[in-house]
Amino acid sequence: GESVGLHLPTLSVQEGDNSIINCAYSNSASDYFIWYKQESGKGPQFIIDIRSNMDKRQGQRVTVLLNKTVKHLSLQIAATQPGDSAVYFCAENYGASGSARQLTFGSGTQLTVLP
Amino acid sequence: NAGVMQNPRHLVRRRGQEARLRCSPMKGHSHVYWYRQLPEEGLKFMVYLQKENIIDESGMPKERFSAEFPKEGPSILRIQQVVRGDSAAYFCASSQDSGVQETQYFGPGTRLLVL
Repeated sequence: GESVGLHLPTLSVQEGDNSIINCAYSNSASDYFIWYKQESGKGPQFIIDIRSNMDKRQGQRVTVLLNKTVKHLSLQIAATQPGDSAVYFCAENYGASGSARQLTFGSGTQLTVLP
Repeated sequence: NAGVMQNPRHLVRRRGQEARLRCSPMKGHSHVYWYRQLPEEGLKFMVYLQKENIIDESGMPKERFSAEFPKEGPSILRIQQVVRGDSAAYFCASSQDSGVQETQYFGPGTRLLVL
């Protein structure tokens, strides 16, 4: 029979192309954002982070863009490789000064790299 | 430098039994966070602990769930009288500090299946 449930947004790209994964966050008071990569059966792996006083940050093959006006975050992966296939989560981090810094995760995007 | 370690990686329990999940943070980290992940969903914060202290348990169910991080040894997430709805992946993360923009590093998770 059919399975009923939530399905992750998916993005399929050709190997070597650039990938752009988007995320809308919820709390305008969030001051720190992180992108995690999660491969099947594994824990989230830190990719890149950005503070709220920045609008762009670059790493190795990855760039994160932050638009606080519309509460939007994006992850750009250059020259996507098969090893990039995974679920990508954005997470926002906020909390009162001196208190816990719990992460709030988005729902994730499944990236599939096609040969 | 070993990362966050969790055991067991897989745990099967029958309804009504107890589940104990263990987490050893990264070397030099004294802050531990527990998250729960249902299939095809993002991680949901449960609890944040420092050595011998629970700092924030706002994400913990009020009944049957408890967590500790003793002075010596790993952090323990304990679920009493498990029910099928407890089936999920439970991830532990650790950070060096709880300051602003402190990165949390995740372990491989414990996958709990309740029969």
